[in-house]
Formats: sequence, structure tokens, C-alpha cells
Amino acid sequence: GQQVMQIPQYQHVQEGEDFTTYCNSSTTLSNIQWYKQRPGGHPVFLIQLVKSGEVKKQKRLTFQFGEAKKNSSLHITATQTTDVGTYFCAGPYQGGSEKLVFGKGTKLTVNP
Amino acid sequence: EAGVVQSPRYKIIEKKQPVAFWCNPISGHNTLYWYLQNLGQGPELLIRYENEEAVDDSQLPKDRFSAERLKGVDSTLKIQPAELGDSAVYLCASSLFQGSNEQFFGPGTRLTVL
Repeated sequence: GQQVMQIPQYQHVQEGEDFTTYCNSSTTLSNIQWYKQRPGGHPVFLIQLVKSGEVKKQKRLTFQFGEAKKNSSLHITATQTTDVGTYFCAGPYQGGSEKLVFGKGTKLTVNP
Repeated sequence: EAGVVQSPRYKIIEKKQPVAFWCNPISGHNTLYWYLQNLGQGPELLIRYENEEAVDDSQLPKDRFSAERLKGVDSTLKIQPAELGDSAVYLCASSLFQGSNEQFFGPGTRLTVL
């Protein structure tokens, strides 16, 4: 079946360091979404990427969608303690349906 | 604007007992989702509603799980009987319409089955 894989599973950084998480799908995706879940909280939508090679920025966060639309990355510049949480990517089931398939997430901890 | 409301927030039951979770989506959101989230995993879709119609329930274990969305607004997810392996967080989410970019998640119900 379709798989959405994220690496690394865990990342611990010192405050001020950069952080990157990678997402890979076994199928070509029509779009990819990113969510953030704070400890004890619920997933919160961050962004959706649609176009091949698309790059979007939200302050210190940079999101990329691969040229082949099978992979994506989230990069955080100069992490802050408020960035702590688990970052999930999610893609449509079988590439284009309304059902989202979530990766297992990358758990980020930041040491102040 | 109020977010997605879920209750209860926590539930502890013994195995073989029934349990029900309630969700009130954001006003005007036609699409409602129930997800299961195990520790250290991403959410997994159980069922998706468009208004009152269940359009995707392929991942719902129908021998013990049931759901309804009467009048296309609130929804209830039921487990009967609960098993130890059902311990997880049950998340409800809603979106404006099918194909809408963003899903808004509720706080979830943490179920513990003893």
C-alpha cells in the first residue's frame, strides 16, 4: 500500500540551530500538506504545496515540494523553543484522493 | 470562531465495555473526519463524512466501531465492545468542503482501555 515516510523520527537541537525534516511518498502526489502537533495538542495545519518544485516560506519555516512530486522537506532556520513539537507531512491516498495519508512525524525537541 | 469541539477529553473504561465520542465541527464545515492516533504515529483516517453521508469508511473496523452524523452537523463515534488495543487518541477534524486544503482538528479524546 501507499507509504508516506518521514526522517528523522526524532531530532534534538540546541536553540538557534537549524532543523530539517524530510518526507517521501511511494506514489506521486497531487499535493502535500504539513501539520504541527505540540506536545499534548492536536495537529495544526501549516501549509499545502501543489506545484512541482514549489518553495514556500513562513517566517523561519521553508517548505519545498520535489520536482517529481514524491518528496518534500520542511526547514526551520534558527530554531526557538516554540518550535517544539511533532511535524507531520500528509499526502492524498493513491496520489489524488480526498483521503490523507500521514507520515509518522518528526519529533523536534529544542534545548534552550 | 469556535474550533472543533470534542468530548470527553479523556475516557478510561474496562475492556468489553462500550464507549462513545462526540464531535461538533466548525460551523459551516460540510466535511467531517474521525482519525485514530496511536502514540508516536500520525493520524489514521477511520471515516469521512460529506454532510450526513459516510463517503469513506473503508478503514473503520465495522465489527465493533460505528459512527453517525445525523443532520450533517454533530457526529458520534462508538466502540462496542472496546478492546485493549483500542487505547489511543481519537481525533475529529472538519474542513469547509471536500477537497478543501486545510483540516481543522479538535483536541481529541484520549481513550484508555484497561
